[in-house]
Amino acid sequence: QQQVKQSPQSLIVQKGGISIINCAYENTAFDYFPWYQQFPGKGPALLIAIRPDVSEKKEGRFTISFNKSAKQFSLHIMDSQPGDSATYFCAASGDTDKLIFGTGTRLQVFP
Amino acid sequence: GAGVSQTPSNKVTEKGKYVELRCDPISGHTALYWYRQSLGQGPEFLIYFQGTGAADDSGLPNDRFFAVRPEGSVSTLKIQRTERGDSAVYLCASSLTAFGQEAFFGQGTRLTVV
Repeated sequence: QQQVKQSPQSLIVQKGGISIINCAYENTAFDYFPWYQQFPGKGPALLIAIRPDVSEKKEGRFTISFNKSAKQFSLHIMDSQPGDSATYFCAASGDTDKLIFGTGTRLQVFP
Repeated sequence: GAGVSQTPSNKVTEKGKYVELRCDPISGHTALYWYRQSLGQGPEFLIYFQGTGAADDSGLPNDRFFAVRPEGSVSTLKIQRTERGDSAVYLCASSLTAFGQEAFFGQGTRLTVV
């Protein structure tokens, strides 16, 4: 019940395209859903986060869509750029504070 | 400092040895977390400190792993009798308070047990 399932494992997108990464969770106590971006040799960096009281949050080219009833949330990267090539992790936390991470999606954006 | 600092950045040790990994959180952050990340996997929770006390150590894999934060700032993760399976990147994160606040990660310590 503590798992966060993430897909796809890897994603190849043309420059200018839309990258979509999906996550699903089981624990209804989760109330904070961040997405992290990680470059090789670096720690994860927070990209954008959402709470379940809204269904969508947009920051620049990055949008989180949240479906509380389906217990799913997704990251959309619009106008994907080669500099977006990285590994993306969804995560969730609730009353226990600790972040539970998905298994990651390796995104490659080709020019 | 400007961000979370972890030292050393790389550590190679022999099986059976003892290692200490250090984390210097962002000044003023009361919450501190340790995670472990194996190759191709997401970070896995180890332990969470709120101030000086370990609020949740449920992720520590066994009693060879121990962490302290004596003054509520710097934390040290200690691993006794290291095993090859302990090889991973150990990440530290801090946040201003807790309860869903943004967590800032360090660059990690890559531990290799040979």
